Amino acid sequence: LAKTTQPISMDSYEGQEVNITCSHNNIATNDYITWYQQFPSQGPRFIIQGYKTKVKNEVASLFIPADRKSSTLSLPRVSLSDTAVYYCLVGYGGRGSTLGRLYFGRGTQLTVWP
Amino acid sequence: EAQVTQNPRYLITVTGKKLTVTCSQNMNHEYMSWYRQDPGLGLRQIYYSMNVEVTDKGDVPEGYKVSRKEKRNFPLILESPSPNQTSLYFCASSLTGREDIQYFGAGTRLSVL
Repeated sequence: LAKTTQPISMDSYEGQEVNITCSHNNIATNDYITWYQQFPSQGPRFIIQGYKTKVKNEVASLFIPADRKSSTLSLPRVSLSDTAVYYCLVGYGGRGSTLGRLYFGRGTQLTVWP
Repeated sequence: EAQVTQNPRYLITVTGKKLTVTCSQNMNHEYMSWYRQDPGLGLRQIYYSMNVEVTDKGDVPEGYKVSRKEKRNFPLILESPSPNQTSLYFCASSLTGREDIQYFGAGTRLSVL
């Protein structure tokens, strides 16, 4: 089971760019890297997924180096509403996998200050 | 509206009194899963189901049961709840082959006294 390591917490100020890095040293060849966002009192929601290099959508960017042993979620110009827990999820789901075991880990609590 | 619905949202019970938390999805997803979330421990998978009549253990299955008799429903059963099962519970669903992209319910906050 591909486990992940993320910082427990991060602080930022409004308008800054925030980068959250996740380590996944035992990622399998067919595993994708998926990030979720969870606001207080809500369930997590999918925000971005990638396999290699860079992926970008309207919410965030995801950078994955060639060895794929880590990934970085980048949130441009954060606002107070980006305060949430961010989870990095790797593998055992999705393409190339037949198992449903998933490891979300402890996530990173991002707090954005005015 | 596509959604995963959990009931109840809040529940206070006493040790040993059997309870069921229901989960229903309207997206025709084959895969469903239950998680518990505790401070400092993140999200931990309890049970999951790849399809009807197919269930398997996650990381923390002790003290829980599940059943999957219909595709849309995946109830979580606590036959004899204990205080250490006080937690926030989430149900999620996804398409088979896309289990890494899950849709979560709003959560059920359970307190066992």
